[in-house]
Amino acid sequence: AQSVTQPDIHITVSEGASLELRCNYSYGATPYLFWYVQSPGQGLQLLLKYFSGDTLVQGIKGFEAEFKRSQSSFNLRKPSVHWSDAAEYFCAVAPRGGSYIPTFGRGTSLIVHP
Amino acid sequence: DAGVTQSPTHLIKTRGQQVTLRCSPKSGHDTVSWYQQALGQGPQFIFQYYEEEERQRGNFPDRFSGHQFPNYSSELNVNALLLGDSALYLCASSLDPRQGYNSPLHFGNGTRLTVT
Repeated sequence: AQSVTQPDIHITVSEGASLELRCNYSYGATPYLFWYVQSPGQGLQLLLKYFSGDTLVQGIKGFEAEFKRSQSSFNLRKPSVHWSDAAEYFCAVAPRGGSYIPTFGRGTSLIVHP
Repeated sequence: DAGVTQSPTHLIKTRGQQVTLRCSPKSGHDTVSWYQQALGQGPQFIFQYYEEEERQRGNFPDRFSGHQFPNYSSELNVNALLLGDSALYLCASSLDPRQGYNSPLHFGNGTRLTVT
């Protein structure tokens, strides 16, 4: 069965600092990969997705993620964090073909200090 | 362009009661998925509906049931509520992936269900 691991429950950074959120997956074949963000009291918003091609994916709000097949990882990065980036971040994987049902990680809570 | 809308936003029920949650998908979407998100956890897949039929189901008991209407809107019903059913219930819509659409899920803001 596919699984997603986000090893960091909380990450604290200072505003303006760089950010990297880790995501590892376990799956037989390379799945579709996603990062979603959830602000308090809100649903999930898609930041970026990887389907194929260039392994460095650009998303909204200045985020990017890099797919590394050898490490089964899809880490999310941002060069300079803004206070408004404080939120919960979820990595998700979905099987190629078929019903395309994503499995989500447990999330990483990002805290931004001024 | 209206996104995914869910109602109600909050709900308080008593153990043993039944609840119905509603979802209208994003315009143009025909597939609806429901997720349960417990506090501090990621969303867990409940089921997916397409063409008014349950297409796939996650590891949830039969107390959880759903329906999709001809206009693609959907309902989630939970019977015999337990304290452990307290969670944020998220609805997500997409285009039918089996038609070759690689459309990611678009989520609503959820319904916060509290069971006392």
